[in-house]
Amino acid sequence: NAGVTQTPKFQVLKTGQSMTLQCAQDMNHNSMYWYRQDPGMGLRLIYYSASEGTTDKGEVPNGYNVSRLNKREFSLRLESAAPSQTSVYFCASSFSLQGTDTQYFGPGTRLTVL
Amino acid sequence: AQRVTQPEKLLSVFKGAPVELKCNYSYSGSPELFWYVQYSRQRLQLLLRHISRESIKGFTADLNKGETSFHLKKPFAQEEDSAMYYCALSRDSSASKIIFGSGTRLSIRP
Repeated sequence: NAGVTQTPKFQVLKTGQSMTLQCAQDMNHNSMYWYRQDPGMGLRLIYYSASEGTTDKGEVPNGYNVSRLNKREFSLRLESAAPSQTSVYFCASSFSLQGTDTQYFGPGTRLTVL
Repeated sequence: AQRVTQPEKLLSVFKGAPVELKCNYSYSGSPELFWYVQYSRQRLQLLLRHISRESIKGFTADLNKGETSFHLKKPFAQEEDSAMYYCALSRDSSASKIIFGSGTRLSIRP
């Protein structure tokens, strides 16, 4: 099992460009998440999907959109990138939204917006 | 405000010495607390959770509601413990409401 995979690993964008970060899991999990991590800060939740067909905003959703394409895949889109979106992005999945369910993380995408 | 505080950005100890990574939280409800770890070139993974009252890789953490703390401890540090450690709190028993601390980098000196 690959677990949670993310593409790309690195990306450099110019201000105003758009891109989509891809995430897939092969653990048959229902819930998936997108986090960002900025230097000196903990992970912050951008969006999450409790189950296939549903998405909800997290703590810092502005400037992002998501799509739960199917049970396996959850993508994050930046429509018009800004330097403030320079960050490391992590995708995660868990069996359900239960707080005690373990979240499994992807390797991260390091995004730089110039 | 609800928050998780890890006061030390970096903690450096000698191999064989005891380790204590501090975590304090602010939350009015009944918290579910976790420690996550990220080893070099590996992904973030769950180390332990307070509800399980378990010991993983020699680490333990006790929830102290009076002091609102969930410190991570190990009696004898090993070089392979060097990593980034994050304390996290789940609000309202929901995985969509997890607050992460800013992390502590643990460095074990030989």
